[in-house]
Amino acid sequence: DAGVTQSPTHLIKTRGQHVTLRCSPISGHKSVSWYQQVLGQGPQFIFQYYEKEERGRGNFPDRFSARQFPNYSSELNVNALLLGDSALYLCASSPGQSSYEQYFGPGTRLTVT
Amino acid sequence: RKEVEQDPGPFNVPEGATVAFNCTYSNSASQSFFWYRQDCRKEPKLLMSVYSSGNEDGRFTAQLNRASQYISLLIRDSKLSDSATYLCVVNGVLTGGGNKLTFGTGTQLKVEL
Repeated sequence: DAGVTQSPTHLIKTRGQHVTLRCSPISGHKSVSWYQQVLGQGPQFIFQYYEKEERGRGNFPDRFSARQFPNYSSELNVNALLLGDSALYLCASSPGQSSYEQYFGPGTRLTVT
Repeated sequence: RKEVEQDPGPFNVPEGATVAFNCTYSNSASQSFFWYRQDCRKEPKLLMSVYSSGNEDGRFTAQLNRASQYISLLIRDSKLSDSATYLCVVNGVLTGGGNKLTFGTGTQLKVEL
């Protein structure tokens, strides 16, 4: 079975631009979570979506938004990019809303110049 | 105080050595605990869950002490392939009913010949 897939793998953007990152969960998984990992740190929680509804949000500004589609895939949008948004953005899927084990995709490496 | 604290290392050990990683967490209501492994520029991968009774998977043993809010990982007979960053992870329940993973900064392990 295919694991979690993310696109694109790498992205370079300029300050002030916006970006859309995409994620497809493992087949049968209905929950998608997004994490940001800056160099030298552990991943930080951004959002969880389950059945197309936001179930939780981390301590990130409103420039960050996300949505989940009927096929359970998800998009993360970041507006007005800052240099500090440069990071590895990870998507994780799990079977249900309260499933404890999450499986990560390979991530999208975003560089903001 | 950080929610999950780990010694960042690096731990440089010879092949065959036994190495132990420790982690503390601040939220006494936390229910689920994990160790993830992350190779350089790759996504985190679940190594093992951690239970109060302790659990073992081959050369890896994880322990949880709820009273001290302390989690450990022991690796016996280290292999070169064990070189990676080990992330201590605590699961938390969100007010919306979902859950999020809170990661430590990770402990870097380098196993040498």
